[in-house]
Amino acid sequence: KAGVTQTPRYLIKTRGQQVTLSCSPISGHRSVSWYQQTPGQGLQFLFEYFSETQRNKGNFPGRFSGRQFSNSRSEMNVSTLELGDSALYLCASSRHRQNTEAFFGQGTRLTVV
Amino acid sequence: AQSVTQLDSQVPVFEEAPVELRCNYSSSVSVYLFWYVQYPNQGLQLLLKYLSGSTLVKGINGFEAEFNKSQTSFHLRKPSVHISDTAEYFCAVSEPDNAGNMLTFGGGTRLMVKP
Repeated sequence: KAGVTQTPRYLIKTRGQQVTLSCSPISGHRSVSWYQQTPGQGLQFLFEYFSETQRNKGNFPGRFSGRQFSNSRSEMNVSTLELGDSALYLCASSRHRQNTEAFFGQGTRLTVV
Repeated sequence: AQSVTQLDSQVPVFEEAPVELRCNYSSSVSVYLFWYVQYPNQGLQLLLKYLSGSTLVKGINGFEAEFNKSQTSFHLRKPSVHISDTAEYFCAVSEPDNAGNMLTFGGGTRLMVKP
């Protein structure tokens, strides 16, 4: 079966712009979580969506937002980009909320210049 | 709040030698424990997981890990490594009763296998 698909794979944006990243989970998976990976801070949890509702949110500013659609696909948005937002953004999908296994996509590499 | 500590940021080892990557976590409630591997420019791939039951867990690619509740540890081991095991390894914990699917990761250990 198809894995978790993240688009685009690479993105270059300018400071102050906004960006939208997309994640299509594995078919039948209803939970989608987002993580930011940077060399300095490592892997940090952004938020989790389940049944189109945000269930959990990490310690990130309000510039980071997301949503989930009825087909479980998810998007995350970052507004007013800063240089420090440059990172690999990873999406993970799970079948249900009590996570026994999360499947990760290959990530979107965002570079802010 | 839970936290995960991977004690070694880098572990160099010769091919065919055994290796242990250490992981300690801090949580007072029931947890699930995971080890993930990340190859360059890739996402995370699950190596193994501990949910309950037997404390010795076997995973893919010959890896295994042992859950030690009293020491709050979940160390990853492989008896004989290959060049292809060179990658970054992440230990992670979740608290399914409290925080659903949120994973807290350790800082990662870069395994460098030398010929």
